[in-house]
Amino acid sequence: SAVISQKPSRDICQRGTSLTIQCQVDSQVTMMFWYRQQPGQSLTLIATANQGSEATYESGFVIDKFPISRPNLTFSTLTVSNMSPEDSSIYLCSVVQGKTEAFFGQGTRLTVV
Amino acid sequence: GENVEQHPSTLSVQEGDSAVIKCTYSDSASNYFPWYKQELGKRPQLIIDIRSNVGEKKDQRIAVTLNKTAKHFSLHITETQPEDSAVYFCAATPSNSGYALNFGKGTSLLVTP
Repeated sequence: SAVISQKPSRDICQRGTSLTIQCQVDSQVTMMFWYRQQPGQSLTLIATANQGSEATYESGFVIDKFPISRPNLTFSTLTVSNMSPEDSSIYLCSVVQGKTEAFFGQGTRLTVV
Repeated sequence: GENVEQHPSTLSVQEGDSAVIKCTYSDSASNYFPWYKQELGKRPQLIIDIRSNVGEKKDQRIAVTLNKTAKHFSLHITETQPEDSAVYFCAATPSNSGYALNFGKGTSLLVTP
């Protein structure tokens, strides 16, 4: 199974600022995704991170708010821009190798004050 | 898009009893159905999955059943143990989405000794 390193594990940020979350995988993966998990709730897909091209966003999520990069097959970043308290959540990256299961990073717990 | 409904939202059982969690989905194109267990403060971990060409799958005390005609699938845990206490999420996805998962709202399972 893929080993996923997600950084930072947690952060407290001022409203109006931006935070970039990194997801590093120890091997090349087919697909990478970003999810949001609001407190006590389920996981919601933000976008599919496409290698070498623009991410594919789900309804309700836009590139200006959540810019995503994926420069290669082992690394991706998610930026949460112009943050407000409503952005306080856990953000998780997920990877898929071939046709196997989806693995999750340990998550980034973001608190916006 | 896909809509996954999950019931119940909370479930309390005595140790040794069985637990059943049910999910329904809306997109007939969905053909991969994983179940994830998430302990407090940890990442979701896959416990079992099933694909549309199979009606049932077992792994020790855990089983999943799928009824494609009715568009529902269920998780069965037998001989429950306190360590099974966690939040369980079902998910569904069409394979051509690359495992971009649509999650149910989760079931908080409590197994009391």
